Amino acid sequence: EAGVTQFPSHSVIEKGQTVTLRCDPISGHDNLYWYRRVMGKEIKFLLHFVKESKQDESGMPNNRFLAERTGGTYSTLKVQPAELEDSGVYFCASSPRTRPGNTIYFGEGSWLTVV
Amino acid sequence: AQSVTQLGSHVSVSEGALVLLRCNYSSSVPPYLFWYVQYPNQGLQLLLKYTTGATLVKGINGFEAEFKKSETSFHLTKPSAHMSDAAEYFCAVSDYAGGTSYGKLTFGQGTILTVHP
Repeated sequence: EAGVTQFPSHSVIEKGQTVTLRCDPISGHDNLYWYRRVMGKEIKFLLHFVKESKQDESGMPNNRFLAERTGGTYSTLKVQPAELEDSGVYFCASSPRTRPGNTIYFGEGSWLTVV
Repeated sequence: AQSVTQLGSHVSVSEGALVLLRCNYSSSVPPYLFWYVQYPNQGLQLLLKYTTGATLVKGINGFEAEFKKSETSFHLTKPSAHMSDAAEYFCAVSDYAGGTSYGKLTFGQGTILTVHP
């Protein structure tokens, strides 16, 4: 069974450009999460989808970030325009059920460098 | 709000020695606690988790952790380190305070484990 896959694995863009990260969750997982780790900091929650609906987007840093999950399958996270402080690793994760203590499966991350 | 503190951003042990990675949490409700590991160039992999029941939890690769409510701790241990254990380890608590966003994890800062021969 395929795990959580993320694309691209690495991206280098200039300040002001746009980048779109894609995440394919494990098949059948209704819950999809985005997390981010900027250099030297802890991994932080960005948002949570249940199917195609945004359940919690309290961690989104500002309106330059837009997440979508069309049809409740894959998700995209767009950063427009990118700023230097957006550099870091963006993790996608998924889980089958919406309940406390559920195991969350992570992808390998998308490394974003803004120059 | 929940929080996690991992004591020591870097831990170095000799091969065969005890591994002890410390994690303390703060939570207003009974916590769900997790340890994840990230090997170089890989994603986060679940080592073990505590939800309810037995406070000593066994995970993969010989790791275990004990939930101690009185100490608000969830330290990770392994009796004998292997070279292959070198990685970054993350302690996390599940954010569940009556809300609907189950599974929202709050992570500690991470501990890089180095194993030397």
